[in-house]
Amino acid sequence: EVQLVESGGGLVQPGRSLRLSCAASGFTFDDYAMHWVRQAPGKGLEWVSGISWNSGSIGYADSVKGRFTISRDNAKNSLYLQMNSLRAEDTALYYCAPLNRDYWGQGTLVTVSS
Amino acid sequence: DVVMTQSPLSLPVTLGQPASISCRSSQSLVHSDGNTYLNWFQQRPGQSPRRLIYKVSNRDSGVPDRFSGSGSGTDFTLKISRVEAEDVGVYYCMQGTHWPPKLTFGGGTKVEIK
Repeated sequence: EVQLVESGGGLVQPGRSLRLSCAASGFTFDDYAMHWVRQAPGKGLEWVSGISWNSGSIGYADSVKGRFTISRDNAKNSLYLQMNSLRAEDTALYYCAPLNRDYWGQGTLVTVSS
Repeated sequence: DVVMTQSPLSLPVTLGQPASISCRSSQSLVHSDGNTYLNWFQQRPGQSPRRLIYKVSNRDSGVPDRFSGSGSGTDFTLKISRVEAEDVGVYYCMQGTHWPPKLTFGGGTKVEIK
């Protein structure tokens, strides 16, 4: 059974940092590029960042470039998102997903507020 | 950057009637490998997204055949032949052709029952 379990979300003050993790199982993790997608309350899906299977290609949405860093550890079947200089507009449910397969987790909620 | 524009924003439909959602991209989605990486996702209320269609017209496993995708280049359509109550939710198109460096979601179309 495929599982994607996001963790690390929570309430954080503006300007602070948070590190999200995504634990994958049930599929060959290092066969796939992986992505973070977020959804602000009541809003649509927004692609945040992606990383190729071997970390050779990485991309970011303009809204997070320079503040967020994506990484992966294929030995641990894990994906990460280091989020620095957080802003109120980063408040969202964050999903990790390969996007070229129909695999999704339940997401982890990040709330940026003072 | 590629911009994905969906229409309409909201689509009230009578049960059993067809529905059609348009998605247009600001650049061609034909990849250099000959494929067109245009996906459609469904998000039911309170649930994680689910991929319905990949590479324009291929249904994911378990997706009812009342869902179909078509289009080419910059113009794409998701059709539901006969809307059922379980189809209520928001539908998103997403381009993967221009990854890396970026993926892009459309703004979403909310399907509701009249």
